[in-house]
Amino acid sequence: NAGVTQTPKFQVLKTGQSMTLQCAQDMNHEYMSWYRQDPGMGLRLIHYSVGAGITDQGEVPNGYNVSRSTTEDFPLRLLSAAPSQTSVYFCASSSQGWEQPQHFGDGTRLSIL
Amino acid sequence: AQSVTQLDSHVSVSEGTPVLLRCNYSSSYSPSLFWYVQHPNKGLQLLLKYTSAATLVKGINGFEAEFKKSETSFHLTKPSAHMSDAAEYFCVVSPRGSSASKIIFGSGTRLSIRP
Repeated sequence: NAGVTQTPKFQVLKTGQSMTLQCAQDMNHEYMSWYRQDPGMGLRLIHYSVGAGITDQGEVPNGYNVSRSTTEDFPLRLLSAAPSQTSVYFCASSSQGWEQPQHFGDGTRLSIL
Repeated sequence: AQSVTQLDSHVSVSEGTPVLLRCNYSSSYSPSLFWYVQHPNKGLQLLLKYTSAATLVKGINGFEAEFKKSETSFHLTKPSAHMSDAAEYFCVVSPRGSSASKIIFGSGTRLSIRP
């Protein structure tokens, strides 16, 4: 079982470039989320979705966009990369609500020069 | 207001000795509580969860945690550490019936195992 798949695993961007981080899950989970992980700050929620066509902002949404056209995919777009967006990004999914465990991908390590 | 406090940022134990990773929480409502483990360059993996059934919860790889409402604690233990347990551990609280924005991740405890 693939679970949650994130691509790419590593990426280096220049300031001002845009890119899309891909996230796909094969568990038919309705709930999906994006987090960023920075040293000493734990995981912070960027955006989340409770089903196709429904998204909402988390704690740190500025500079990021999401869409959810299918149950399986939840891409995260960086509109104009900034050095402050250097981080490790994790996508997660869960079934039946946020009080259930989340399944995490292995992350995308992003560096903005 | 909700919060999660992992009381130790780093714990070091010898192989074969007990492990104790401490977590205190604050929640207005009866929460779901989780422990996740993160190995280097990997995502978070669920170790165990508490959802108001038994207060002593058994997880994978010999870990267990006890929910103590009176102490608002959910400490993670293992009787005998193994080298493969070296990783980062996160305590997470999620209030019942809430949104993703209410999920709180602790800041993590790095567990080191001495040979």
